[in-house]
Amino acid sequence: EIVMTQSPATLSVSPGERATLSCRASQSVSSNLAWYQQKPGQAPRLLIYGASTRATGIPARFSGSGSGTEFTLTISSLQSEDFAVYYCQQYNNWPSLTFGGGTKVEIK
Amino acid sequence: EVQLVESGGGLVQPGRSLRLSCAASGFTFDDYAMHWVRQAPGKGLEWVSGISWNSGSIGYADSVKGRFTISRDNAKNSLYLQMNSLRAEDTALYYCAKVDYRFRFDPWGQGTLVTVSS
Repeated sequence: EIVMTQSPATLSVSPGERATLSCRASQSVSSNLAWYQQKPGQAPRLLIYGASTRATGIPARFSGSGSGTEFTLTISSLQSEDFAVYYCQQYNNWPSLTFGGGTKVEIK
Repeated sequence: EVQLVESGGGLVQPGRSLRLSCAASGFTFDDYAMHWVRQAPGKGLEWVSGISWNSGSIGYADSVKGRFTISRDNAKNSLYLQMNSLRAEDTALYYCAKVDYRFRFDPWGQGTLVTVSS
């Protein structure tokens, strides 16, 4: 099983600042990586797939990068609605898919 | 509008069974794979199982393999998860998600809560 490790577990950021979230795979997943956002009491929402492609309706302040084992989700200027938990997921190893443990982005 | 509505959750004793359902609408159901993902209270997401559009390709997480069975009925636009030999660690909110050929999980339902306790 491919293990996905996200860091940091919690990120404290002021509104308007940049947030950088990391996701590391235990072995290469190529570019088969997605990012999801989850707000309290809500289902997760797809943000990024293919490591760097924004899903439909996702604002341009969200960007993804990386390939192989190292990936980054960047939120260029945090808005109030962006404070949430973010998960990465690899889908390179079907029929075994795995999520990272999540990064909580909180208001500083 | 795509809608996914899970049902069938509840309180069940360890060792017993439960069957979850996911009713889909707003899209051509048999064009897409469908997956189950769960979230234990206060914890992260865990992929559980997935099934291709024609049931020809199925996968399970190691934690549920041999105990859970995923299936679908394209005529009824429905996805199922038969859960046997339930354990306390299966307690979670279970989401179903529509998944395309690029493995985009989009959207997700609102989930159904399964609690395994004596």
